[in-house]
Amino acid sequence: AQTVTQSQPEMSVQEAETVTLSCTYDTSENNYYLFWYKQPPSRQMILVIRQEAYKQQNATENRFSVNFQKAAKSFSLKISDSQLGDTAMYFCAFSAQGGSEKLVFGKGTKLTVNP
Amino acid sequence: DGGITQSPKYLFRKEGQNVTLSCEQNLNHDAMYWYRQDPGQGLRLIYYSQIVNDFQKGDIAEGYSVSREKKESFPLTVTSAQKNPTAFYLCASSMLQGANYGYTFGSGTRLTVV
Repeated sequence: AQTVTQSQPEMSVQEAETVTLSCTYDTSENNYYLFWYKQPPSRQMILVIRQEAYKQQNATENRFSVNFQKAAKSFSLKISDSQLGDTAMYFCAFSAQGGSEKLVFGKGTKLTVNP
Repeated sequence: DGGITQSPKYLFRKEGQNVTLSCEQNLNHDAMYWYRQDPGQGLRLIYYSQIVNDFQKGDIAEGYSVSREKKESFPLTVTSAQKNPTAFYLCASSMLQGANYGYTFGSGTRLTVV
């Protein structure tokens, strides 16, 4: 069974600085998908970024980027120019290839952006 | 606008009562899921369904039941057998065909036992 580990229960960063959230996973699959979801205080889950394992290029979405290390089974999220609105829980998630595979989530990292 | 609607937003249950949480989607998604969220536990899968009239247990199905009579609807019943039902419940949906784009989530239901 796949597992996802987020080793940082809580982190904080100053506004405008950069922060990196860690995620590791365990799988025997070769093709799969990885995701970062954001859950702000409203508790609405929002997809931040998505990575396809067969693509070597790291995904980026504006201020959000990932460092995907397939051999190390690592999938960290970098947030640049942190904003107060980035304060949220962040969940890393794994899914085997194909839309029929359910997501497995890590336990989350609570990020606080300080003014 | 397409999306997932969960209702109610807040729900209170007395000891020994069954309660049903509603989840409706108009995204034409094939699969629907129920997750439970507790502090420090992340999201844990309760049940999921990939097709009408069929569903599978997740990791923590005991004390819960579901139905999938329509593609758009996937209600979750929290039965009296669930000993610790106070939690935040999230419903999600996804396409099954093609590339995996993850889930679309509802806004959640907060269930409290009183």
